[in-house]
Amino acid sequence: QTVVTQEPSLTVSPGGTVTLTCASSTGAVTSGYNPNWFQQKPGQPPRALIYTTSSKHSWTPARFSGSLLGGKAALTLSGVQPEDEADYYCLLYYGGAWVFGGGTKLTVL
Amino acid sequence: QVQLVQSGAEVKKAGSSVNVSCNASGGTFSSYSIDWVRQAPGQDFEWLGRIIPMLGITNYAQKFQDRVTITADKSTTAYMELSSLRSEDTAVYYCARGDYYYYGLDVWGQGTPVTVSS
Repeated sequence: QTVVTQEPSLTVSPGGTVTLTCASSTGAVTSGYNPNWFQQKPGQPPRALIYTTSSKHSWTPARFSGSLLGGKAALTLSGVQPEDEADYYCLLYYGGAWVFGGGTKLTVL
Repeated sequence: QVQLVQSGAEVKKAGSSVNVSCNASGGTFSSYSIDWVRQAPGQDFEWLGRIIPMLGITNYAQKFQDRVTITADKSTTAYMELSSLRSEDTAVYYCARGDYYYYGLDVWGQGTPVTVSS
């Protein structure tokens, strides 16, 4: 069974920078996994932020960026705002199926 | 911008089936896929499967292959039926718009809570 692993929780100060990562139990994450990133706040559906590793949707704030880092997919938030406090989930493609990561709870403190 | 509007909350008995709909408001499905995802309390998101309505192509996650059926009309409404319900199926079910090449899921429905009671 494929497992996608994220940091359970991270804390960042307002205005700071933080990087969330997404690892695959099958090995290094490459662009072929089409990494996606989503933000979810309590009681809301997920909001798409990043697709195909680093592509942004029209509504994605500029402070969010996606990349590959050390064999993992990564989401970097630069100049963190209080409203960025949320759960963040990655999503990877495995040949005809999607698998979600367990999520990272980001606290802005 | 198309919005995905899902049907309302459901309460079902174990062993029965549930059918959740997903309607494209303000547009059509065009050549996109409609994917179904669930989020159980305290659990990870799970992808159940998808349909490309324009082509009638479906693809299911191995875990749910025997119990889930995804259908759609050609333009605006998709349906997800999950059968042989058990308590572990209690979750919020989401539809989301994807694409043929699995590049990503961009627009999400508001979610449909499904509660399975014994």
